[in-house]
Amino acid sequence: EAQVTQNPRYLITVTGKKLTVTCSQNMNHEYMSWYRQDPGLGLRQIYYSMNVEVTDKGDVPEGYKVSRKEKRNFPLILESPSPNQTSLYFCASSPRWPKQETQYFGPGTRLLVL
Amino acid sequence: AQSVTQPDIHITVSEGASLELRCNYSYGATPYLFWYVQSPGQGLQLLLKYFSGDTLVQGIKGFEAEFKRSQSSFNLRKPSVHWSDAAEYFCAVGLIYGGSQGNLIFGKGTKLSVKP
Repeated sequence: EAQVTQNPRYLITVTGKKLTVTCSQNMNHEYMSWYRQDPGLGLRQIYYSMNVEVTDKGDVPEGYKVSRKEKRNFPLILESPSPNQTSLYFCASSPRWPKQETQYFGPGTRLLVL
Repeated sequence: AQSVTQPDIHITVSEGASLELRCNYSYGATPYLFWYVQSPGQGLQLLLKYFSGDTLVQGIKGFEAEFKRSQSSFNLRKPSVHWSDAAEYFCAVGLIYGGSQGNLIFGKGTKLSVKP
């Protein structure tokens, strides 16, 4: 089954403790992206990757890192999480940007930073 | 700077009534345009998209949207709303040139409630 998976789905952590949220897709997609969703703010793009080893900042990259060492995986790294990073995070992938294609979204990761 | 505006935060319609959700964007060219729907506790599902060509786009679940270049708008419509349409709807703009290719900007969403 074609899908985007995220792990963990729920996470409670404390300020400053490094964490990684994994994202994996099994569709051989070139394009992958991370978003955060906050009430009243909609979705905001954090980082995106057009292909392996190519990443770019979205609208809210501060406090986050990403890497794209292989096509299927696009982990989101919070080196020193802070409470303002408490949010719902979505990973998405697309065959390529964006000619006649669309994005497939993962199920989301709900993060609480205390 | 590029932006997407959904002026209505919350809309309530009666079941069977027509629906129009508004979306305006600010961008130096015609971007790629999308409408997504999110049901409570769920991820996002694409309703429809516009890249080029016919400005009236048909999507899933009976939705359609019309791109109006002169108004920088991409409004979503449905002729008869069903109770299952209650959800939050997001308009999104995909940037198409320069260093921002790949950037996808979402509006803040419109929550739709449906009265019996």
